[in-house]
Amino acid sequence: NAGVTQTPKFQVLKTGQSMTLQCAQDMNHEYMSWYRQDPGMGLRLIHYSVGAGITDQGEVPNGYNVSRSTTEDFPLRLLSAAPSQTSVYFCASREGRYQPQHFGDGTRLSIL
Amino acid sequence: QQPVQSPQAVILREGEDAVINCSSSKALYSVHWYRQKHGEAPVFLMILLKGGEQMRHEKISASFNEKKQQSSLYLTASQLSYSGTYFCGTEIGNFNKFYFGSGTKLNVKP
Repeated sequence: NAGVTQTPKFQVLKTGQSMTLQCAQDMNHEYMSWYRQDPGMGLRLIHYSVGAGITDQGEVPNGYNVSRSTTEDFPLRLLSAAPSQTSVYFCASREGRYQPQHFGDGTRLSIL
Repeated sequence: QQPVQSPQAVILREGEDAVINCSSSKALYSVHWYRQKHGEAPVFLMILLKGGEQMRHEKISASFNEKKQQSSLYLTASQLSYSGTYFCGTEIGNFNKFYFGSGTKLNVKP
């Protein structure tokens, strides 16, 4: 059982470039979320989804887009990368309210 | 919106006990606890629900005081493997949004 799979694991971008971080889960979870974690900091919610076709903003949504066309996939798009977006990005899924979050291994993103 | 954790950091000797606190200014209906080792993803420890029982994971237990909107994580007879950063998390307001606290870094030394 793969759980939550994130790709790529590492990425270096130049300022202004765009890219998509991939997240897929095989647990049939309705709820999926994207978090960013800056060095020595907690996890901040970027965007989340409660099912296919339903997404909403979290605490720090600016500069990021998401879509949820299937239950399994929840990609995160950086529209025009900025150095302030250098961070570790975690995707998480859960079955529903009051259920544990399952995390992917993270994507370490550096923007020069 | 984020729950507030205290202390920010704890240094223990193996076998000592520690308490980590998590509080919110808004009503809590559930509190999750996670542990993150350096360079890894957070891992779920336990969840406490409003009106539910105190939970336990190995020698780690937690309580949830709904009236005070607080939860505490108790690490008893700490082991070296307990080192890491502990996060509480909860759904605040909109039940679909999940927020994490700022974390408590625990360092257990031999």
